Amino acid sequence: QSVLTQPPSASGTPGQRVTISCSGSSSNIGSKTVNWYQQLPGTAPKLLIYSNNQRPSGVPDRFSGSKSGTSASLAISGLQSEDEADYYCAAWDDSLNGHVVFGGGTKLTVL
Amino acid sequence: QVQLQESGPGLVKPSEALSLTCAVTGYSISTGYYWGWIRQSPGKGLEWIGNMYYSGRTYYNPSLKSRVTISVDTSKNQFSLKLSSVTAADTAVYYCARVQWSDFDYWGQGTLVTVSS
Repeated sequence: QSVLTQPPSASGTPGQRVTISCSGSSSNIGSKTVNWYQQLPGTAPKLLIYSNNQRPSGVPDRFSGSKSGTSASLAISGLQSEDEADYYCAAWDDSLNGHVVFGGGTKLTVL
Repeated sequence: QVQLQESGPGLVKPSEALSLTCAVTGYSISTGYYWGWIRQSPGKGLEWIGNMYYSGRTYYNPSLKSRVTISVDTSKNQFSLKLSSVTAADTAVYYCARVQWSDFDYWGQGTLVTVSS
């Protein structure tokens, strides 16, 4: 049972806009920044969004992040087949002396 | 370019200790940042193990804390993970990464560790 809650799956057709949610609590998302990771099949995760809505160099602007209260969202616009991957949210949690919490992951399928 | 590479035994016997090392190139560990370990059991999601600052400050997953030790060797520019008393549930791909809080910006390719007799 992950501390951050994500839908297990999401899907969309090429060109569509898809959003993935991440729900937490006041000790993590409610007070800390959220990061998003993309994991393509058989590869290591890659930082996709940091500090709620910042894109590292090289990440297309089709990917965007937002946060409100104790929830965050990842949006992918202009969906492409290569976006098919697992997506994870993560945040620092101030409880229990501080620790990192991940969402359970969302498998995105491009139909 | 920052690069990380995990190394260590791919097979560990139950009740023994798992030991992995992460070699860092392109960045000096003692310059700053935390350095962390994350694992992923087959077909499952990501599980954070712990973060360590080069000076020794550590944060561990509360559920693994009693079995985990992360250490750093600045002279070799590498850091290590030791997980004691392993069981089959510790079978996973283990990743090392550079981190600021929960922002893991550079990752190793991962190494599969299987716990089996």
